[in-house]
Amino acid sequence: QLQLQESGPGLVKPSETLSLTCTVSGGSVSSNSYYWVWIRQPPGKGLEWIGNIYYSGSTYYNPSLKSRVTISLDTSKNQFSLKLSSVTAADTAVYYCARRRGGSSDLDSWGQGTLVTVSS
Amino acid sequence: QSALTQPASVSGSPGQSITISCTGTSSDVGGYNYVSWFQQHPGKAPELMIYDVSNRPSGVSNRFSGSKSGNTASLTISGLLAEDEADYYCNSYAPSSTWVFGGGTKLTVL
Repeated sequence: QLQLQESGPGLVKPSETLSLTCTVSGGSVSSNSYYWVWIRQPPGKGLEWIGNIYYSGSTYYNPSLKSRVTISLDTSKNQFSLKLSSVTAADTAVYYCARRRGGSSDLDSWGQGTLVTVSS
Repeated sequence: QSALTQPASVSGSPGQSITISCTGTSSDVGGYNYVSWFQQHPGKAPELMIYDVSNRPSGVSNRFSGSKSGNTASLTISGLLAEDEADYYCNSYAPSSTWVFGGGTKLTVL
């Protein structure tokens, strides 16, 4: 069974870069059947799609975050990562990694989420 | 990229049916059959309930169903149970290979 686990600092200072990693077990990030996705949820608010990456390295980002976001793949570690630069308090959120089946809206597996707080 | 429009809250009594709407545009909801619905209980990760407008993943109760008409997708829950009380989010494919969520709907089971 597929499992995804987010990891990274829970506290980031304003203007710095937020870095998170999602470790995948029970499946391969090298599969050509899936996209690997980052989603976030500010406390008490709704879900926001950040972006996703395909096994080939192709990336797609939320236009509102595109200038600050980088998603990358590490096939040797079976992981994918998120970097968000120049963070502010508005970037405080629970960050989820997830898997979506290609050619579908089937976002079937999610990590448990990790809270990242932006504060000095 | 604007969030899809969902009602902030809906409510129903046990055994009743409710419908949650998700309104977008012809560029997202209306343009593709790539709409999904998620259930989220407090403090938990979202769970997929419907994908590709009307498909139910294995293990999801057949009390949950999805549909779409024009630029509006809908999630219907029949035979409401107390455990259905949660937040519900829709998600749609959008231009330039992006995706957009709805603002979320809080379902209260009276």
